[in-house]
Amino acid sequence: AQKITQTQPGMFVQEKEAVTLDCTYDTSDPSYGLFWYKQPSSGEMIFLIYQGSYDQQNATEGRYSLNFQKARKSANLVISASQLGDSAMYFCAMRESGSGGSNYKLTFGKGTLLTVNP
Amino acid sequence: DAGVTQSPTHLIKTRGQQVTLRCSPKSGHDTVSWYQQALGQGPQFIFQYYEEEERQRGNFPDRFSGHQFPNYSSELNVNALLLGDSALYLCASTGLPGQGSNTEAFFGQGTRLTVV
Repeated sequence: AQKITQTQPGMFVQEKEAVTLDCTYDTSDPSYGLFWYKQPSSGEMIFLIYQGSYDQQNATEGRYSLNFQKARKSANLVISASQLGDSAMYFCAMRESGSGGSNYKLTFGKGTLLTVNP
Repeated sequence: DAGVTQSPTHLIKTRGQQVTLRCSPKSGHDTVSWYQQALGQGPQFIFQYYEEEERQRGNFPDRFSGHQFPNYSSELNVNALLLGDSALYLCASTGLPGQGSNTEAFFGQGTRLTVV
């Protein structure tokens, strides 16, 4: 079963408007982290925002905010005031606590291609 | 402060050959993970190295192997290349244990491998 589901293969938004990118996840681990990464055509994955499973408040980082609904197992990314430079692939990812030590495995969704129109 | 660096950036190999990809983690990071990203897909976890040992492994065959050196840099080796191994290979590094589970992974720009 997919652990991270991104149902929007592509999204379009007008410059200066807000856009929401959907992400749902599946885990039985009570402790987990959710990440959003941006991948421009150059290939590098750029970290945007993080939400921990025990965090009481939704995460925000500048124009990025995460709409975390734990009961629904969703972690949607909201980008406010879209800019042309926001055009890229966006990936939702999850890290489960698993074993101790330096465990750091990310499970990614298939991504959403965001296009910002002028 | 140099981020994660990978080499080479592009590579073309023939089916059946072997390839070695290299990664230098971000300064201060000691854990390196490798991911394979096929065209149009999200990255898939291959394995993770910490203290020069493979700590976790994804669903990849033994043709995929790796190594971590004392300076924390890492290599990914793929033997007996198949056409299906064509992908972007991403290296990610993370910080020292104790920095919290919210520590994000820093990614390199990737190595684009084409198998012909």
